Formats: sequence, structure tokens, C-alpha cells
Amino acid sequence: KNEVEQSPQNLTAQEGEFITINCSYSVGISALHWLQQHPGGGIVSLFMLSSGKKKHGRLIATINIQEKHSSLHITASHPRDSAVYICAAGGIQGAQKLVFGQGTRLTINP
Amino acid sequence: EAQVTQNPRYLITVTGKKLTVTCSQNMNHEYMSWYRQDPGLGLRQIYYSMNVEVTDKGDVPEGYKVSRKEKRNFPLILESPSPNQTSLYFCASSFWGGSYEQYFGPGTRLTVT
Repeated sequence: KNEVEQSPQNLTAQEGEFITINCSYSVGISALHWLQQHPGGGIVSLFMLSSGKKKHGRLIATINIQEKHSSLHITASHPRDSAVYICAAGGIQGAQKLVFGQGTRLTINP
Repeated sequence: EAQVTQNPRYLITVTGKKLTVTCSQNMNHEYMSWYRQDPGLGLRQIYYSMNVEVTDKGDVPEGYKVSRKEKRNFPLILESPSPNQTSLYFCASSFWGGSYEQYFGPGTRLTVT
């Protein structure tokens, strides 16, 4: 079993829909990252969370430390949100490496 | 502008011909890391460095070497590339590792024939 699991693997929605991507991890961590990878291939950091909730524009990220679970929400989705979203756990068992989920491919149709 | 740069961005080479992919950051970050990304396997860590002259293996280090002689640079060396090293490679940096915001380079697409 992977230490970091994402769901769903693929998600297709219509423009305007509310999107939720989930990330679960199996061990204690010090930070949970949400990354975005566009079709061109570059990776951008969206959020880094250690507790609670963060919001940036239409994107919201939450983390529940007790349940070892994080979610990324996109409100009023738009075709330009189409990308692969990756969660990554940092600080597992004190180590500073990152462990990545498999990614969620999101497609927003106009 | 804060950035991580990688060169080259694209490379096609032949089996056994030594190559180096450079990575440089201008943010004075202590932590630098190399990842490879393959379809169906996601991102996997190759090597990382916590500071100058401090490097350690990640999950898939076989066939790769790294060095960290200067804080800003972290080159990835393939001494004898093989076709199974065909992949998309990313360099990333942060202040102290996985508990800090990550900055990724643009990626290097390597094809080994």
C-alpha cells in the first residue's frame, strides 16, 4: 500500500462544477503539499498545509490531521483548471523527503 | 525572480553516452532534490541534498550520481544511460525539505535510444 493515496485518479466535470480531490496518508507527516501540473509539464506548488484550511482564489485546501486526510476543492471550475493535481507528504517519520500520490487528472469541459 | 532552472530541457541521446543535467536555484535553498516522472508511476525521488556536500539516495538512485559542491547547483549525472532512464526529470528546491514550500524546475525530457 502506498503511503500517499489520491482519489479519484481521473475526474471529468463540466465548467462551473464544484470539484473535490482527496488525499490520504498512512503515517504522521509535518506538511501536506498540493501541486499542479499542466499539460506542458511544469509543476507548481499550490498549497502547503500542516493544519486547518487555506484558500487561494477559487482553490481551497483542507487537512484533517487526526484522520490523515486532505482535500483540494475547486469552486466554479473552469477549463483552464484542467491539469494533473498531485498531493505530496513531507516530513514522514522525521525525514525531509517528499512522498507523492499518483496524481488526479482533472478535465473540465466547457 | 525566484526560480529553479534546468538544462537541457530536452535531450535525445544514445545508450552509454555520459550526460549531465544541470539544476540551479537562486533562492539560497538548502534542500535540493531530483525526481523522475513516468506514466503510471508518478513522481519518484532519485537523490536529494540537505546542504553543500551532503547528499543521500532517494527511492530510485540506481544509475544516477549527484554532487553538491555549491549551494545553488545540484547536477544529475548519468554515467552510462540506458533506455529505462528515458523519463521526465524534475529538480526542486526548498529551504529545509519536505516540510517547506517546494519550487520545481521546468523539467527535462530525456530519451535514451
